[in-house]
Amino acid sequence: NAGVTQTPKFQVLKTGQSMTLQCAQDMNHNSMYWYRQDPGMGLRLIYYSASEGTTDKGEVPNGYNVSRLNKREFSLRLESAAPSQTSVYFCASSEDGTGTYEQYFGPGTRLTVT
Amino acid sequence: AQKITQTQPGMFVQEKEAVTLDCTYDTSDPSYGLFWYKQPSSGEMIFLIYQGSYDQQNATEGRYSLNFQKARKSANLVISASQLGDSAMYFCAMRAYTGNQFYFGTGTSLTVIP
Repeated sequence: NAGVTQTPKFQVLKTGQSMTLQCAQDMNHNSMYWYRQDPGMGLRLIYYSASEGTTDKGEVPNGYNVSRLNKREFSLRLESAAPSQTSVYFCASSEDGTGTYEQYFGPGTRLTVT
Repeated sequence: AQKITQTQPGMFVQEKEAVTLDCTYDTSDPSYGLFWYKQPSSGEMIFLIYQGSYDQQNATEGRYSLNFQKARKSANLVISASQLGDSAMYFCAMRAYTGNQFYFGTGTSLTVIP
């Protein structure tokens, strides 16, 4: 049981390049999330998906697109990277409903845009 | 709108002493959950403890307890008998159960002094 996996772990991009961050979970969770973490800002939600085929914008969606490929996979795409997108990106998943349904996080992707 | 506030950017505690990390929240939803996560320097997010808005008793998990004061909208984390391994960033988060989003505070950096 791997939990939430993310690839790659590290990436350096030049301004204007594109890339896709991959995320997969094996816990059969409906909900999946993408966050970015910047110093002093906590975790800010980029996009989330409540179920396969649905996605919704979070707090900071500009410059990003997402795809919920199936129940397991949720990818984040940067079409034209900018230095402001230098950050650590976390994917997470959770069960639905009330209760102790905490989020499970992937190990993160450290992205640098030069 | 949902909001989480952590007003202590950094805290120091002597080893074996107790420490309280503050968290206040704002929501108009009657049903919500409150979560604390630990992020050590290695970067992974570790779930610590959960409190439901309708729970009558404060949550406890080993050395962690959550001091939940609903009227004051506060959910402080108490760590008893601090250990060197407790040095980390700590994030408070909330999930209102009318939606799927989790909202995070900006975090508190805890340093345990030997």
